[in-house]
Amino acid sequence: AQSVTQLGSHVSVSEGALVLLRCNYSSSVPPYLFWYVQYPNQGLQLLLKYTSAATLVKGINGFEAEFKKSETSFHLTKPSAHMSDAAEYFCAVSPTGGGNKLTFGTGTQLKVEL
Amino acid sequence: GAGVSQSPSNKVTEKGKDVELRCDPISGHTALYWYRQSLGQGLEFLIYFQGNSAPDKSGLPSDRFSAERTGGSVSTLTIQRTQQEDSAVYLCASSAGGGGQPQHFGDGTRLSIL
Repeated sequence: AQSVTQLGSHVSVSEGALVLLRCNYSSSVPPYLFWYVQYPNQGLQLLLKYTSAATLVKGINGFEAEFKKSETSFHLTKPSAHMSDAAEYFCAVSPTGGGNKLTFGTGTQLKVEL
Repeated sequence: GAGVSQSPSNKVTEKGKDVELRCDPISGHTALYWYRQSLGQGLEFLIYFQGNSAPDKSGLPSDRFSAERTGGSVSTLTIQRTQQEDSAVYLCASSAGGGGQPQHFGDGTRLSIL
């Protein structure tokens, strides 16, 4: 069984500041991990994924995430926030090779302020 | 169209009625997924179709739920004898390959059972 916990349902940052969205996972087998983003009035889309290759994964729009097994974490970061980053972000986990059965977190709403 | 299309966008119905939700995936995508999101919950996997293979129905919550995919394209999720706990946003997603994660989600159908 696997699960993810996203710490903070709402995160607010200033434009240009570091974005850090937290995700911790629990999995009985080596996991695959994902971040999805939902921009206002749009459907969810895949932002990046970890599938047991490089532990630092780069995604679209300057986002990246690092898989840390010792901390069971897969936090999402971006060095400098932009207004267009305002969206809801979902972390998800699946067992290795079982990407069709994702278990999602409850989401973090990112607000970017001037 | 360019993205995953779902209809209707909103559906309100009385308890005990049957409902049909439609999903039109991105053209050429062989994998199709149904998820649902209840209030305050993460996304919950329902069913997965890949090409002509037998669908993975392991996420369907009861035998009142069924889904089909005709011609490898459009999919219909049917809920019979709806209950109030069926109220949720039902999301469809598709991806180009099999065995992988959903890439693009539709905007969802918001189902409300009175």
